Amino acid sequence: GAVVSQHPSRVICKSGTSVKIECRSLDFQATTMFWYRQFPKKSLMLMATSNEGSKATYEQGVEKDKFLINHASLTLSTLTVTSAHPEDSSFYICSARQLGEGTGELFFGEGSRLTVL
Amino acid sequence: KQEVTQIPAALSVPEGENLVLNCSFTDSAIYNLQWFRQDPGKGLTSLLLIQSSQREQTSGRLNASLDKSSGRSTLYIAASQPGDSATYLCAGRFGAYKYIFGTGTRLKVLA
Repeated sequence: GAVVSQHPSRVICKSGTSVKIECRSLDFQATTMFWYRQFPKKSLMLMATSNEGSKATYEQGVEKDKFLINHASLTLSTLTVTSAHPEDSSFYICSARQLGEGTGELFFGEGSRLTVL
Repeated sequence: KQEVTQIPAALSVPEGENLVLNCSFTDSAIYNLQWFRQDPGKGLTSLLLIQSSQREQTSGRLNASLDKSSGRSTLYIAASQPGDSATYLCAGRFGAYKYIFGTGTRLKVLA
């Protein structure tokens, strides 16, 4: 299947700093990328949907100014957690849909574990 | 409201046993349903994708079925192995970009 890479896999930061997480589709072009947040032993919560070259669509309750999403190319989307606080500590996972691929199959990155001290 | 539910939440079985994981959804207007595996602290690995026009898909020891009318999907794992221990998630696609995930079933296969 298609490969989605996320970086970094783990990040620890101090409260008040900003952290950027990258999501790359390695062997395909992704029209749409999705960012999810996962709490311990919980399912995935969709945060936002990003389309290349346009503004991301955020789910209800997700702060646009705190979670900045940029989808600058067909292979890269970034999530920046601004002014991070301990409650932002979580597992963030991205997924991507392949350009022109009709099945709608989702491919996921390995996830990024954010710990805010 | 579209919801996806997985039962049971956790399951322990002895090695070699055949088992079934269940996924229920409330909206029969489903485009497709995808089963994933998640190991602790890792991302999701796609196992099987069933389109709304299909009834089942098979890959190795895995077989997934889809019954839109009853709002159910099952993942059948044959001859389970300790390496199958993981959390299994199902996700339904209900629109162009709308994917809803179940809460997962944590499977432990005992050697």
